[in-house]
Amino acid sequence: TQLLEQSPQFLSIQEGENLTVYCNSSSVFSSLQWYRQEPGEGPVLLVTVVTGGEVKKLKRLTFQFGDARKDSSLHITAAQPGDTGLYLCAGFKNNNDMRFGAGTRLTVKP
Amino acid sequence: GAVVSQHPSRVICKSGTSVKIECRSLDFQATTMFWYRQFPKQSLMLMATSNEGSKATYEQGVEKDKFLINHASLTLSTLTVTSAHPEDSSFYICSASQGRYTEAFFGQGTRLTVV
Repeated sequence: TQLLEQSPQFLSIQEGENLTVYCNSSSVFSSLQWYRQEPGEGPVLLVTVVTGGEVKKLKRLTFQFGDARKDSSLHITAAQPGDTGLYLCAGFKNNNDMRFGAGTRLTVKP
Repeated sequence: GAVVSQHPSRVICKSGTSVKIECRSLDFQATTMFWYRQFPKQSLMLMATSNEGSKATYEQGVEKDKFLINHASLTLSTLTVTSAHPEDSSFYICSASQGRYTEAFFGQGTRLTVV
């Protein structure tokens, strides 16, 4: 069982549509990160959220950390083909190990 | 963000040989480094966590004698796959963190193929 449950696992949308990816857990995390990975490369950090209820924006991407620091969401507005990739959430627990969700594979069709 | 360099990016080796993968933090001191394995179209599975100067902590099911991890300095960790088998073929990725609870930065990954 994954410590972090990501949904949906696969998402295929048309350019210009909006989407939300969810990352849920029954555990509390001291911080949570979102990464984007392209095939054959390592994940690239998008954002870190630390405070419960925190909202961060990165151009068309909006990240939110749940009030209880157990869940997070990533919302993309007006998706573009360049947004295609594997989106991973990851969290640090108090014992300093970092765990990943299963990932959401996003395809944005032109 | 901080830069982590992983080498080699691709390696092909024969069954029974050993392969060493290096992970270097280029512009920061990495007190903690993580090694992951990723199967096609799947997420990253943590293999082990290493802190500089101490023994790595392996995840359940990961053979420490097969996957040797050394974190001898604050900028370098190595993963050695010993007596490689075709089933060890995979994408291996390292990440490095500056301290407790801070974000980790990833290397480019190493595609290992054992023939």
